[in-house]
Amino acid sequence: DSGVTQTPKHLITATGQRVTLRCSPRSGDLSVYWYQQSLDQGLQFLIQYYNGEERAKGNILERFSAQQFPDLHSELNLSSLELGDSALYFCASSVGSSPYEQYFGPGTRLTVT
Amino acid sequence: DQQVKQNSPSLSVQEGRISILNCDYTNSMFDYFLWYKKYPAEGPTFLISISSIKDKNEDGRFTVFLNKSAKHLSLHIVPSQPGDSAVYFCAASERSGGGADGLTFGKGTHLIIQP
Repeated sequence: DSGVTQTPKHLITATGQRVTLRCSPRSGDLSVYWYQQSLDQGLQFLIQYYNGEERAKGNILERFSAQQFPDLHSELNLSSLELGDSALYFCASSVGSSPYEQYFGPGTRLTVT
Repeated sequence: DQQVKQNSPSLSVQEGRISILNCDYTNSMFDYFLWYKKYPAEGPTFLISISSIKDKNEDGRFTVFLNKSAKHLSLHIVPSQPGDSAVYFCAASERSGGGADGLTFGKGTHLIIQP
């Protein structure tokens, strides 16, 4: 158990819909990272928040957004969903703002039908 | 353009022997490298890391070797045990200067330990 929690575990929704994925980092970790794992692309970095502020952006689509709240939990919002958004979404956390070792949650499996 | 490549999608090794997983990278700005292990239905688990100022780091049965001139790293597991059967991901980052702070992952190698 990494100490990072993600909810829900599974999510099935239709194209065009909007969903919110939630992540709670390990106790004491200030950075939260979001990754997408699809079959053909592997693990892709989406976005990082550090202590409530956006720190770095990776391959995140404009239809996707995230935020980190004062209690340090984070939410990833995915809107106007397409079939290709079906993937595993992982959240990871680390102590500082630099990419030291990151600890991953169990992931949320999103299926868009 | 894949900056971190794991060219072997799978690798089968006999229990007790050495497992060697390989990883190549193209971005010369990467200065920190990590290996993660992933079981089905779980998130990746951090295994071992190495900074670019070193060429070797050891932790128990796991050793990572870095060859900067060749832009190549490898993970050695010895002796291999049945519980080592998993997908192994190589990851890289730029800890100093510019660049996004997320990790860049390879596509993984599925290690199968045969009894």
